[in-house]
Amino acid sequence: AQSVTQLDSQVPVFEEAPVELRCNYSSSVSVYLFWYVQYPNQGLQLLLKYLSGSTLVKGINGFEAEFNKSQTSFHLRKPSVHISDTAEYFCAVSKGGSEKLVFGKGTKLTVNP
Amino acid sequence: GAGVSQSPSNKVTEKGKDVELRCDPISGHTALYWYRQSLGQGLEFLIYFQGNSAPDKSGLPSDRFSAERTGGSVSTLTIQRTQQEDSAVYLCASSPLASGTDTQYFGPGTRLTVL
Repeated sequence: AQSVTQLDSQVPVFEEAPVELRCNYSSSVSVYLFWYVQYPNQGLQLLLKYLSGSTLVKGINGFEAEFNKSQTSFHLRKPSVHISDTAEYFCAVSKGGSEKLVFGKGTKLTVNP
Repeated sequence: GAGVSQSPSNKVTEKGKDVELRCDPISGHTALYWYRQSLGQGLEFLIYFQGNSAPDKSGLPSDRFSAERTGGSVSTLTIQRTQQEDSAVYLCASSPLASGTDTQYFGPGTRLTVL
């Protein structure tokens, strides 16, 4: 079975600083990888996804993530964060042929002025 | 266009009562998913529908939980004899097709509180 580990439950950063949110997964088969963002009192919104091809994936709002098969990681990065990026970020995995998403526990990103 | 909608947005009930949670997916989406978000367990898959059938019910925590989908559209998640551990945010998502690659679009959720 797949599992997803988000190593940091909370990440505080200052505005305009770079940020990396870490995600590791375990699976014995090929997987598809996703990052979702949840703003306060809202549903989840897709930031980006990796299906195949280039290991560097660019998403919305200036975020990007790199798939590393040897390290089974899919870390999310942004070179300069804004106050509006304050939210909870979830890494998720789905297995080819399986429709459900398996989520990590989430990382709360707080951007301070 | 209209996104996924869920009702009610908040539901407070007493232990032992039955509750129904509703999800309206994006028009034309054939796949519909239910997830539960709680403090202790994070986001957990409950069930998904392909059209009106549910090929995967593996995430339903007990036989008190059931779901149905009619007309390939609206879905209802029913929890019978609610318990305090059922308190959580119930999220619904839909996608054009049921595949591991499709983006799932989430609704705002229903916050269930069992007293």
